[in-house]
Amino acid sequence: GENVEQHPSTLSVQEGDSAVIKCTYSDSASNYFPWYKQELGKRPQLIIDIRSNVGEKKDQRIAVTLNKTAKHFSLHITETQPEDSAVYFCAASKGGYQKVTFGIGTKLQVIP
Amino acid sequence: GAVVSQHPSWVICKSGTSVKIECRSLDFQATTMFWYRQFPKQSLMLMATSNEGSKATYEQGVEKDKFLINHASLTLSTLTVTSAHPEDSSFYICSAERAGGGSTDTQYFGPGTRLTVL
Repeated sequence: GENVEQHPSTLSVQEGDSAVIKCTYSDSASNYFPWYKQELGKRPQLIIDIRSNVGEKKDQRIAVTLNKTAKHFSLHITETQPEDSAVYFCAASKGGYQKVTFGIGTKLQVIP
Repeated sequence: GAVVSQHPSWVICKSGTSVKIECRSLDFQATTMFWYRQFPKQSLMLMATSNEGSKATYEQGVEKDKFLINHASLTLSTLTVTSAHPEDSSFYICSAERAGGGSTDTQYFGPGTRLTVL
């Protein structure tokens, strides 16, 4: 089955700096890679996703890159703000109602 | 956007009792729903895939007789934790993907149910 590895497990950055979270996946058939933000005790919220036919996607301060050959994908958050503090999960799926495999999560702390 | 609800949001029960958790897609139909459990400070672990009108598919290591899943309609899936024990205490989250018109791949999560077994 699919295995998703995520690092770092914790990340502290100063407000305004950038944060980068990296993930790798094992199943070359995976073609859909969502990123979720989860605040304590709440549901995961989709913040951005990328499909295997795209190498990079950006949405305001958030960007995701995908390297299919290396099976790597990364989340980039620029100009971080305190409200970005949360746990971020990367995930991989074969899409089309298939199950999603999550990484272990990264606890991001943005220091004011 | 798509909305998924769960009920109850939290429940406390005695050891040995059964607890039913409902997952509803409020504004879309979902032929497939997923059930996850999440321990504190850990990731979401898929328990089972719930398919409308058929038996659920359980992940390895998940006891199907302990975690009963029923997906009777396109908007409702239930998870029943039977004979609950303290080690079953966890955060249970469902997700659903919108059906029809081609998959968008995006899963929408319910708000979760916190189960505490005394």
